[in-house]
Amino acid sequence: DSGVTQTPKHLITATGQRVTLRCSPRSGDLSVYWYQQSLDQGLQFLIQYYNGEERAKGNILERFSAQQFPDLHSELNLSSLELGDSALYFCASSVDPHTSGDYEQYFGPGTRLTVT
Amino acid sequence: AQKITQTQPGMFVQEKEAVTLDCTYDTSDQSYGLFWYKQPSSGEMIFLIYQGSYDEQNATEGRYSLNFQKARKSANLVISASQLGDSAMYFCAMREMKTSYDKVIFGPGTSLSVIP
Repeated sequence: DSGVTQTPKHLITATGQRVTLRCSPRSGDLSVYWYQQSLDQGLQFLIQYYNGEERAKGNILERFSAQQFPDLHSELNLSSLELGDSALYFCASSVDPHTSGDYEQYFGPGTRLTVT
Repeated sequence: AQKITQTQPGMFVQEKEAVTLDCTYDTSDQSYGLFWYKQPSSGEMIFLIYQGSYDEQNATEGRYSLNFQKARKSANLVISASQLGDSAMYFCAMREMKTSYDKVIFGPGTSLSVIP
């Protein structure tokens, strides 16, 4: 158990809908990362938050948005869903490697999204 | 652009034998971290081993070791004494750390099958 929790575990929804995925990082971790794993694209970095602020952006679509709240949990919002958005969405957390020297990211169990 | 290459889409190894999974990376940064993760069929991402770009010794964690050749930009994973439970996807990843952000890029993965 990595200490990172993600809800829900599975989500089935229809095209055009909007969903919210939730992530709670390990206790003490200020950084949260979101990744999308699909069969044709592999594991893609979407976005990173550090202590409530967006820090890095990867291949995140404009239909997707994220935020990190004061209690450090994070939500990934996916809207106008398309069939191609079906994927496993991972959240990971870490401490700040610049201050701690610890570079490991701890992954949650993932949310499997199926768009029908 | 930063990139991770894993040239072996699938590998087979006999139980109790050693196996090497290849990974090459491309970056112009001096400070970065290299990781290997295991993803069994259940889907979770399991951290295996980490190597920092400034580490002079190759990292080892139990049966896992990372053969780091900085000049060749390679970070191969060696699994000794393979076990049936090692059958999984293995991802090589690179974390680039700058003062304002850090970003993780994953390779396409290698599927390892351990044969009894």
